[in-house]
Amino acid sequence: SQQGEEDPQALSIQEGENATMNCSYKTSINNLQWYRQNSGRGLVHLILIRSNEREKHSGRLRVTLDTSKKSSSLLITASRAADTASYFCVCAGGTSYGKLTFGQGTILTVHP
Amino acid sequence: SQTIHQWPATLVQPVGSPLSLECTVEGTSNPNLYWYRQAAGRGLQLLFYSVGIGQISSEVPQNLSASRPQDRQFILSSKKLLLSDSGFYLCAWSRQGRTFFGQGTRLTVV
Repeated sequence: SQQGEEDPQALSIQEGENATMNCSYKTSINNLQWYRQNSGRGLVHLILIRSNEREKHSGRLRVTLDTSKKSSSLLITASRAADTASYFCVCAGGTSYGKLTFGQGTILTVHP
Repeated sequence: SQTIHQWPATLVQPVGSPLSLECTVEGTSNPNLYWYRQAAGRGLQLLFYSVGIGQISSEVPQNLSASRPQDRQFILSSKKLLLSDSGFYLCAWSRQGRTFFGQGTRLTVV
């Protein structure tokens, strides 16, 4: 299975602080993606990092990928109350063509 | 541009009634299509995925079935709903490494 497992399950911080979430997976991948889900709504794609990349930035988001440890991290800098959401990672590629499985996610709460 | 349509947004159905949720994709061809279910406060569970017309892979044994009658149409069905089928259902498509989600259908079985 390509399932990504996010850690921690829940994270509570103050506005302005940085938030770091981690994701581990089991087998080889072609890419890893991070998504955000606001309560009761669809998922929004945040960032994709390919297996040959080590770090990627998008605005206040920074994603790293360590294929030797089969892990990735998502850093949100200078967090805002609007960043409150659940964050999921999903791995694609490898031996399970077409199959995308998600972990349980990290629930991030940013207090104003 | 590519878009994904999923409807209805909310649905309340009695136990034992049939279900049909439809998802259509625009602006792309031969996408991989997915149905996920999310129980309250939990992660997404992959129910079905399809890499082509008529090709359906089922991930978990359940009361549901899926069909792909056209390249960009994915349908989730049930002949008789159970209380445990309640949840938030998400359709998604992916191509060339990118995945896009519909807005979801919140199904309540009463």
